[in-house]
Amino acid sequence: EDQVTQSPEALRLQEGESSSLNCSYTVSGLRGLFWYRQDPGKGPEFLFTLYSAGEEKEKERLKATLTKKESFLHITAPKPEDSATYLCAVQAGASGGTSYGKLTFGQGTILTVHP
Amino acid sequence: IAGITQAPTSQILAAGRRMTLRCTQDMRHNAMYWYRQDLGLGLRLIHYSNTAGTTGKGEVPDGYSVSRANTDDFPLTLASAVPSQTSVYFCASSDSSGSPDTQYFGPGTRLTVL
Repeated sequence: EDQVTQSPEALRLQEGESSSLNCSYTVSGLRGLFWYRQDPGKGPEFLFTLYSAGEEKEKERLKATLTKKESFLHITAPKPEDSATYLCAVQAGASGGTSYGKLTFGQGTILTVHP
Repeated sequence: IAGITQAPTSQILAAGRRMTLRCTQDMRHNAMYWYRQDLGLGLRLIHYSNTAGTTGKGEVPDGYSVSRANTDDFPLTLASAVPSQTSVYFCASSDSSGSPDTQYFGPGTRLTVL
């Protein structure tokens, strides 16, 4: 069974204080690892897709990295507007002829950035 | 381009009543999904559809049904609502011809069953 564990559950930072969020996963053949941002009362907003170990993606103050067992979301010099819940999800490769794109989500990390 | 729209935004429903949550996408994605999000349990897949005319069961399908008559619409029906179906429901869509296929989510419907 695919599993995703995110840590920490909650993270409080001062503006400008860089840090990282962790996503550990077990999956039978990784097809892709996804990072989403979710603001209160809104739907998840897509950030990054990572395909294979060693890959990195960047967007503004965010950088996502991937190894064979975990992914990190690095936040450099965060601002209060980066406050949100960050969700990690994995998508397994096709198995037994069923190739629908099921995502298995972690519980999320609630990030709060204080000014 | 709106992406994915969901209706209603929120609803309070008496137990035993029938309810249909609507989802429409304008991205011409072939695949669509319904998730529920509960505190402490994260996002869980209810039903999915790889293409118009086909549907499949996800992780928590009991008490829910879906249909996919065309590419754009994917309604979720609760035939007889129960309090445990109180949740926030998200519809998503993807172009599953890619690998991996990125899912894009709607704004959600907050449902309360009393």
